[in-house]
Amino acid sequence: DAKTTQPTSMDCAEGRAANLPCNHSTISGNEYVYWYRQIHSQGPQYIIHGLKNNETNEMASLIITEDRKSSTLILPHATLRDTAVYYCIVRAQEANNLFFGTGTRLTVIP
Amino acid sequence: SQTIHQWPATLVQPVGSPLSLECTVEGTSNPNLYWYRQAAGRGLQLLFYSVGIGQISSEVPQNLSASRPQDRQFILSSKKLLLSDSGFYLCAWSKGDTYEQYFGPGTRLTVT
Repeated sequence: DAKTTQPTSMDCAEGRAANLPCNHSTISGNEYVYWYRQIHSQGPQYIIHGLKNNETNEMASLIITEDRKSSTLILPHATLRDTAVYYCIVRAQEANNLFFGTGTRLTVIP
Repeated sequence: SQTIHQWPATLVQPVGSPLSLECTVEGTSNPNLYWYRQAAGRGLQLLFYSVGIGQISSEVPQNLSASRPQDRQFILSSKKLLLSDSGFYLCAWSKGDTYEQYFGPGTRLTVT
């Protein structure tokens, strides 16, 4: 799987949009971008994934650059419950493993 | 809707004792099942995955084993625990034709 680079930590004010960047410059053509988050002492939670088009669901939006070398996860209105470690993962759809790196620790501030 | 259960939530075991962690999935059939371990402050490491009853693939050599006696049941075992087996054990499932994985609440194992 291609490696990803994410900032170690970020802060966001409650109610504002949280934009979490991820670099994946070595991504292959058949690899998807997945985002998960892990709230302290809980199992990771799936957020969203995409291949090359931007994606949106009830939790977040995923913006993938045209060259697919980077992406941004957007939480449109961050709440205190969004405080978590956010993981950006790239993997081929048929791959079984999810390689979780160190992720970005997002802290939503009241 | 689908749910995934793990138990126990926490476990403290002495070195050399056996281990059995259970994971069950409800609301789906023939899921892919996974066991991960997360050491403190580290990422997740895939230990085992299964695409069907009795079908187990091991990703890393260790003193752990896995079994899938029923379609929606996945068990992680050890005959003799080591101190290095301490960690947060996570079970996950995915549908056969889509590949996002959904995780259970985890079991925090401390080997003393």
